[in-house]
Amino acid sequence: DAGVTQSPTHLIKTRGQHVTLRCSPISGHKSVSWYQQVLGQGPQFIFQYYEKEERGRGNFPDRFSARQFPNYSSELNVNALLLGDSALYLCASSLWTGTDQPQHFGDGTRLSIL
Amino acid sequence: KNQVEQSPQSLIILEGKNCTLQCNYTVSPFSNLRWYKQDTGRGPVSLTIMTFSENTKSNGRYTATLDADTKQSSLHITASQLSDSASYICVGGGTSYGKLTFGQGTILTVHP
Repeated sequence: DAGVTQSPTHLIKTRGQHVTLRCSPISGHKSVSWYQQVLGQGPQFIFQYYEKEERGRGNFPDRFSARQFPNYSSELNVNALLLGDSALYLCASSLWTGTDQPQHFGDGTRLSIL
Repeated sequence: KNQVEQSPQSLIILEGKNCTLQCNYTVSPFSNLRWYKQDTGRGPVSLTIMTFSENTKSNGRYTATLDADTKQSSLHITASQLSDSASYICVGGGTSYGKLTFGQGTILTVHP
C-alpha cells in the first residue's frame, strides 16, 4: 500500500506570493494533519482535519488555511508568503483523530521563499 | 505552554555500541509519549507510542521508557547500526485533537 504522498517535493516562491501544498493520506485514513518544520527544529502543529472538518488548529496566522476533500486528500494554503515561511511542510495521516492514534508522515514539501 | 526538551542535542557513537537519548516533557493534559526517527530529507517514522500507564515499550533494538511522575522519557538503542544515524524526536501527545508537541530532536551519528 502507498504511504502518505505529498506534492510538490520542492517549491521556490517569492515574498508576497501564495502557495498550495497537497497531501494524499494512506488509503482508509480519514484524518490528515499538517506540520511546519523549520530547519533544526521539531515539527509544529498547524491543522488537523477529519471527515472534511477542521478538528484542531495550532498557533499560526490566518494566512495559513487548509481543507480536506471527500476523498480525504488535503490542501494547505499559505498566502502573503514571508521569508520565515521557508520550511519543510509535513502531512500526516491517521485512521481517525484519537489522541493515541499513530500518525504516518509523508516526506514533506520543502518550501523556499526568496 | 506545552514543551518537550531533548538531550543531548547531538551524539556520536561507534557502530555496535548502545546509547540512550533523554526527553523531558511538560504536556498538560497528558495522553501519550511518542518517539520518532527522522532520516535526513524524509518524514518522521514512528518508533513507539506509550500511554501514561505504560512504563516501557520496545520495537526491535529500540526501547522507550516513560516515568509519568517525573515527566521523563528515554530511548535506548542497542547494538547501533550505521542506519541508525538520524534525528530522534520525542513527542508529547495531549488530549486535544491532533495536538502533538515535538521536541527539537537529538541528532545521532553512528560511525563505523
